[in-house]
Amino acid sequence: GAGVSQSPSNKVTEKGKDVELRCDPISGHTALYWYRQSLGQGLEFLIYFQGNSAPDKSGLPSDRFSAERTGGSVSTLTIQRTQQEDSAVYLCASSDPRGEQYFGPGTRLTVT
Amino acid sequence: AQSVSQHNHHVILSEAASLELGCNYSYGGTVNLFWYVQYPGQHLQLLLKYFSGDPLVKGIKGFEAEFIKSKFSFNLRKPSVQWSDTAEYFCAVASDSSASKIIFGSGTRLSIRP
Repeated sequence: GAGVSQSPSNKVTEKGKDVELRCDPISGHTALYWYRQSLGQGLEFLIYFQGNSAPDKSGLPSDRFSAERTGGSVSTLTIQRTQQEDSAVYLCASSDPRGEQYFGPGTRLTVT
Repeated sequence: AQSVSQHNHHVILSEAASLELGCNYSYGGTVNLFWYVQYPGQHLQLLLKYFSGDPLVKGIKGFEAEFIKSKFSFNLRKPSVQWSDTAEYFCAVASDSSASKIIFGSGTRLSIRP
């Protein structure tokens, strides 16, 4: 079946602009995660959605970052007033009930 | 709170050497354990997983990991590495609960000299 998809695959934006990144998880997966991976760095947890529970936003680096998950499926990560330090690969993953994660290919964001 | 430690940040080996990457976690209950791999330019993929049963689990490409409950460890091993094993390796832990958030370690970069 289809895996996790993310769009766009690449996004170049000017400093100060807002961007929206989209994630389509695997159908039926109730858990969805957003991570950020900077060059040569590990995974930085951003936000976690689990079913209808309130999301765990503990990893969001600033209030310029927000995410929503509509209808328990598609998720959008929004970065307002982008800064150069926001440049990274943004990864989305969905997981089955036992926690096995399936990662999307990521969105490479470049802020100029 | 749960945490996962990967003490080796960068490991450099020659081909055919044996590999062991450490992973320790802090959580007192039942856990599900994972190793993920990210090859250069590729996205993360599952290498192996442990849910229950035999604590020695085998994954793809000749990798294996052993869950030692008393040591809270899930070390990754391979008897003889190849140049193509050059990648970033991440250990991850989730408590055995449908509402549990998975926690990743900081990763270990493995470089294999040909």
